[in-house]
Amino acid sequence: SAVISQKPSRDICQRGTSLTIQCQVDSQVTMMFWYRQQPGQSLTLIATANQGSEATYESGFVIDKFPISRPNLTFSTLTVSNMSPEDSSIYLCSVEDQDRPYNEQFFGPGTRLTVL
Amino acid sequence: EDQVTQSPEALRLQEGESSSLNCSYTVSGLRGLFWYRQDPGKGPEFLFTLYSAGEEKEKERLKATLTKKESFLHITAPKPEDSATYLCAVQASGGSNYKLTFGKGTLLTVNP
Repeated sequence: SAVISQKPSRDICQRGTSLTIQCQVDSQVTMMFWYRQQPGQSLTLIATANQGSEATYESGFVIDKFPISRPNLTFSTLTVSNMSPEDSSIYLCSVEDQDRPYNEQFFGPGTRLTVL
Repeated sequence: EDQVTQSPEALRLQEGESSSLNCSYTVSGLRGLFWYRQDPGKGPEFLFTLYSAGEEKEKERLKATLTKKESFLHITAPKPEDSATYLCAVQASGGSNYKLTFGKGTLLTVNP
């Protein structure tokens, strides 16, 4: 399966600021995904990022708050904008492994964000 | 709307004490059910995919089974290194069929 890295691994930010999280994959992949894991809650899909097209956002998530870039087939960024303490969460990227029969998703190590 | 409920929320076992974790789901049409393991401070690690009722998959001390309404993750003679949060997710067929809907997970602690 693909090896996925994320930067930063953790950060502490002040409210009102923005943070950009990077996701790097060691092979070319078509579909990349961004998830949020809030304390005590389920992993929730924020958006799907395909290279060469606009990201597709799930209900409850908007581009102004979570802009996403996908400049090539191995890299994506998620920005958390105008942060509030409610944005404190773990943010994870995942990729579909298209070599597997059901395109199972594999996850990066996550970025732990704390907003003060 | 797809839903996944996992039980129990937390489970504490003694080393060697076998048990099962439950994942109940509702989905319009099941494309796949996935089990992941998540260690503290890490991303979920893929374990199994199940596609149809009656299917079983095994890996070391873990066995996953699937019915039309639920999945079980059986842990046989667990060891302390099996301690982790186990996540269940479903993927619906049709439409945007890449989306995974997760349960909240079961925190498993295995004491030596």
